[in-house]
Amino acid sequence: SYELTQPPSVSVSPGQTARITCSGDALPKKYAYWYQQKSGQAPVLVIYEDSKRPSGIPERFSGSSSGTMATLTISGAQVEDEADYYCYSTDSSGNHRGVFGGGTKLTVL
Amino acid sequence: EVQLVESGGGLVQPGRSLRLSCAASGFTFDDYAMHWVRQAPGKGLEWVSGISWNSGSIGYADSVKGRFTISRDNAKNSLYLQMNSLRAEDTALYYCAKDMRATVTDDAFDIWGQGTMVTVSS
Repeated sequence: SYELTQPPSVSVSPGQTARITCSGDALPKKYAYWYQQKSGQAPVLVIYEDSKRPSGIPERFSGSSSGTMATLTISGAQVEDEADYYCYSTDSSGNHRGVFGGGTKLTVL
Repeated sequence: EVQLVESGGGLVQPGRSLRLSCAASGFTFDDYAMHWVRQAPGKGLEWVSGISWNSGSIGYADSVKGRFTISRDNAKNSLYLQMNSLRAEDTALYYCAKDMRATVTDDAFDIWGQGTMVTVSS
């Protein structure tokens, strides 16, 4: 079955740039999406179609994708950005199946 | 206000069935695809199933295919998940999520409910 691989954790100091990666064989053909989930809350879409930012999401959040890797970048990370981040995509088999990465815990301190 | 409210969760024995509902408000329900996503306690997110705006296209995760059935009633602005032959590993918080698009192609979940908890245990 299709898998997306993320690092379990990333740690930065406030004001630094945080980068979270997501690798998957179908990413050259499929968009990546990124979700932020704070403790006890429902997820929030922060990046869609590799690099687009929904309204209301701060400009410090950006996304990119190249080959089999997508990257979420938080420029000037703030304490309130501490959360779990999940990438999401679909497989390219023709049968629609969505898959989340395992999630990355971002610590900002 | 755009809102999704899930209901129908609870404690159920292995092998039994449960039906989840999701009531949508604040947007034109039949313009968008809808999905179910679950999260086991202390674990990550798992996409469960998605349905296009007109129910013409449906997808399931391998882990639930053949046991779960997604459906929608556009007249009632409601999404459903019929869960049969439940297993302990189905224990999770089940979220209803709105897609940005009408079809289930590249899923983008822009609105989420708060979830309903399903516990499968004897």
